[in-house]
Amino acid sequence: QVQLVQSGAEVKNPGASVKVSCKASAYTFTNYGISWVRQAPGQGLEWMGWISAYNGDTVYAQNLQGRVTMTTDTSTSTAYMDLRSLRSDDTAVYYCATEQWLGSTLDYWGQGTVVTVSS
Amino acid sequence: NFMLTQPHSVSESPGKTVTISCTRSSGSIASTYVQWYQQRPGSSPTTVIYEDNQRPSGVPDRFSGSIDSSSNSASLTISGLKTEDEADYYCQSYDSSNLYVVFGGGTKLTVL
Repeated sequence: QVQLVQSGAEVKNPGASVKVSCKASAYTFTNYGISWVRQAPGQGLEWMGWISAYNGDTVYAQNLQGRVTMTTDTSTSTAYMDLRSLRSDDTAVYYCATEQWLGSTLDYWGQGTVVTVSS
Repeated sequence: NFMLTQPHSVSESPGKTVTISCTRSSGSIASTYVQWYQQRPGSSPTTVIYEDNQRPSGVPDRFSGSIDSSSNSASLTISGLKTEDEADYYCQSYDSSNLYVVFGGGTKLTVL
């Protein structure tokens, strides 16, 4: 069955960067896009952006423009989310999810990666 | 961007029916599909309804979705409530003008 396996928990200092990976299996990677969604402690879901695994096109949430970069490596069926200039309010669980095209259903979700930003 | 507004919490007894609303702040609720996700504590979200009223395979038919243009809202209805339905539920849609995926704030369902 479709699986998205994310990298492990990270602890970062304010101002640092974090790169989270999301390895896909059991489907044709380039047939689906990947959305990234985060959830701060005790809060709701926040969409961060989407990348096409077919051609690398990206759409980012306005509030993260300039700090986030999403990429894919089709040779390993892996998506990456890079977030820079980390602040304490970036502390959250970060999820990847398949989204065939921007605006469609987020069908399958990774297990989540906890990112803690603290000095 | 438009917003999706959900009640913060709802509660109901086992065996009963509950409906969770999701109201769109601007633009027509019918203009882009609405999805519903269930998130149990400590777990990733899973889809319970997609494209307004479609159920993924494996989701019981106790779950149903609808949209109402008159109130500009979508609804998730769960009948024959079970304790295992206790979770947070999020509606989600898409702002095609601004290329933005929008989530509602989430509703905590308590089955007691």
